[in-house]
Amino acid sequence: SAVISQKPSRDICQRGTSLTIQCQVDSQVTMMFWYRQQPGQSLTLIATANQGSEATYESGFVIDKFPISRPNLTFSTLTVSNMSPEDSSIYLCSVGPTANYGYTFGSGTRLTVV
Amino acid sequence: SQQGEEDPQALSIQEGENATMNCSYKTSINNLQWYRQNSGRGLVHLILIRSNEREKHSGRLRVTLDTSKKSSSLLITASRAADTASYFCATSFGGNDMRFGAGTRLTVKP
Repeated sequence: SAVISQKPSRDICQRGTSLTIQCQVDSQVTMMFWYRQQPGQSLTLIATANQGSEATYESGFVIDKFPISRPNLTFSTLTVSNMSPEDSSIYLCSVGPTANYGYTFGSGTRLTVV
Repeated sequence: SQQGEEDPQALSIQEGENATMNCSYKTSINNLQWYRQNSGRGLVHLILIRSNEREKHSGRLRVTLDTSKKSSSLLITASRAADTASYFCATSFGGNDMRFGAGTRLTVKP
């Protein structure tokens, strides 16, 4: 299965600022997915990122707040813009699926907004 | 939005005991997957079961799927302290994205 390098692993940010999270995959993948996991909660899909087209956002998530780039088949970024304390969460990228191994996840970015 | 619901929300057992977690979902699915998450880190894929399969094994893991009841169970046999983690089911139903359940927090006491 693919190996994903996700950065940063954690950050503490001031409200009103923006943070860009990067995911680098060791192989070319068509689709990448970005999830948010609020404290003590499950994962919620933010958007699906295809190379060469705009990301597709889930209900409740908008491009102005969570702009996504997908410049090539091995890399994607998610920006959390104009942050507020409610944005404090773990953000995860994912690729997949493979026939028998499901999806592969990055190690997550733990964001705290103060 | 979440698709599945796991129960129990939390489970505490002694090392060596078996742990059973259940997942229910709402819509038709292509496959169902179980993941483990340690201490809020990334998720690790455990096992995938397709909609036409009823049972699957992987080491100490046993997964069942009942599509008529829209439910699945994950059994971890002979649990170890290292199994302490949160376990999530996730369903895929046509697209490539997954919907996650709320998760079960498993604690295995040494």
